[in-house]
Amino acid sequence: AQSVTQPDIHITVSEGASLELRCNYSYGATPYLFWYVQSPGQGLQLLLKYFSGDTLVQGIKGFEAEFKRSQSSFNLRKPSVHWSDAAEYFCAVGAQNYGQNFVFGPGTRLSVLP
Amino acid sequence: DAGVTQSPTHLIKTRGQQVTLRCSPKSGHDTVSWYQQALGQGPQFIFQYYEEEERQRGNFPDRFSGHQFPNYSSELNVNALLLGDSALYLCASSLPADSSGNTIYFGEGSWLTVV
Repeated sequence: AQSVTQPDIHITVSEGASLELRCNYSYGATPYLFWYVQSPGQGLQLLLKYFSGDTLVQGIKGFEAEFKRSQSSFNLRKPSVHWSDAAEYFCAVGAQNYGQNFVFGPGTRLSVLP
Repeated sequence: DAGVTQSPTHLIKTRGQQVTLRCSPKSGHDTVSWYQQALGQGPQFIFQYYEEEERQRGNFPDRFSGHQFPNYSSELNVNALLLGDSALYLCASSLPADSSGNTIYFGEGSWLTVV
């Protein structure tokens, strides 16, 4: 069965520090990978996506993620965190033949210290 | 360019009642899906509609049903509400999957509380 794990439930970083959020997946098909961010009480905003090609993808708000097939991972990174980045982050996996049937991880809550 | 819009934003229902949630997809999108997000969890796929037909379904009981209209808007209906149905219901839309993959865009969601 398809699954997505995000090992860190809650991460706290200081403003200006670097950030890495972990995501591991188990998926039978060639995966499409996504990171979404959700602010409190809001819907989900797409940060970045990977379909094929260059395994390092750039997204909005200065985020990037690297796809490592050998490790079944798609970790999200940001070199310098801003206070406005505090939110819930979700990794998701899909596939071309699965339409909008994405499997989401449980999320990682990011807190930013001033 | 309007994004995905959902209504109502919040509602409270009693156990056993029925609820209808509505969604208008992003301009140019013709595929709509619904997700349930329980508090503190990631979204779970309910079903997807394309060309007014249910194309895929997640692991949800038949109490959950939907509809897509010719203008691509959609409704989610939940019958015989249970306390466990309390959640944020998210609508997402996209173009049909193509060679470059499918990206889904979410609305703000409808908060359903069952008491």
